[in-house]
Amino acid sequence: AQSVTQPDIHITVSEGASLELRCNYSYGATPYLFWYVQSPGQGLQLLLKYFSGDTLVQGIKGFEAEFKRSQSSFNLRKPSVHWSDAAEYFCAVGARSSNTGKLIFGQGTTLQVKP
Amino acid sequence: DAGVTQSPTHLIKTRGQQVTLRCSPKSGHDTVSWYQQALGQGPQFIFQYYEEEERQRGNFPDRFSGHQFPNYSSELNVNALLLGDSALYLCASSFYGYSNQPQHFGDGTRLSIL
Repeated sequence: AQSVTQPDIHITVSEGASLELRCNYSYGATPYLFWYVQSPGQGLQLLLKYFSGDTLVQGIKGFEAEFKRSQSSFNLRKPSVHWSDAAEYFCAVGARSSNTGKLIFGQGTTLQVKP
Repeated sequence: DAGVTQSPTHLIKTRGQQVTLRCSPKSGHDTVSWYQQALGQGPQFIFQYYEEEERQRGNFPDRFSGHQFPNYSSELNVNALLLGDSALYLCASSFYGYSNQPQHFGDGTRLSIL
């Protein structure tokens, strides 16, 4: 079955500290991979995406993610967290061969930033 | 350039009622997908519309139906509302046939069932 697992439901980091959010997927073939962020009462904003090529992808707001095929993982990282990064983060996968664009999301990780 | 817009922002209904949610896609997009996001969960795919036809459907009952208009806007209809239908309903738009293009999401409609 196709699924996305985000093992950490809630993470708290201090402002200025580094951050890594984990994402593992189960899929028949290598999917397209995405990270979205959701602030309270808002929709989803795309942080970054992986389609092919370099397995380290850069996104907006200083975020990056690394695709590791052998581990079926796509972890999100940021070297120095800002208070404004507090939000809900979702990892998602989509089929390469499908025209439908259906995305499968993980349960999300809530990031809290301590001053 | 307007992004994805959804209306209404919030809605309160009672069990057994029917509801219609609306979505206008990002300018230039021709495909609309709907997702349900229950509290504390990730979004779940309901269905997708392209060329006024439902192209794919997730694991949702027939109480959930949709429509797409010639201008690409879309409606999500839910009949016989249940308490479990309380959720944030997200609309996303994209270009059909370009699964490598990210979907753009609206801010959602918060539906509360009493």
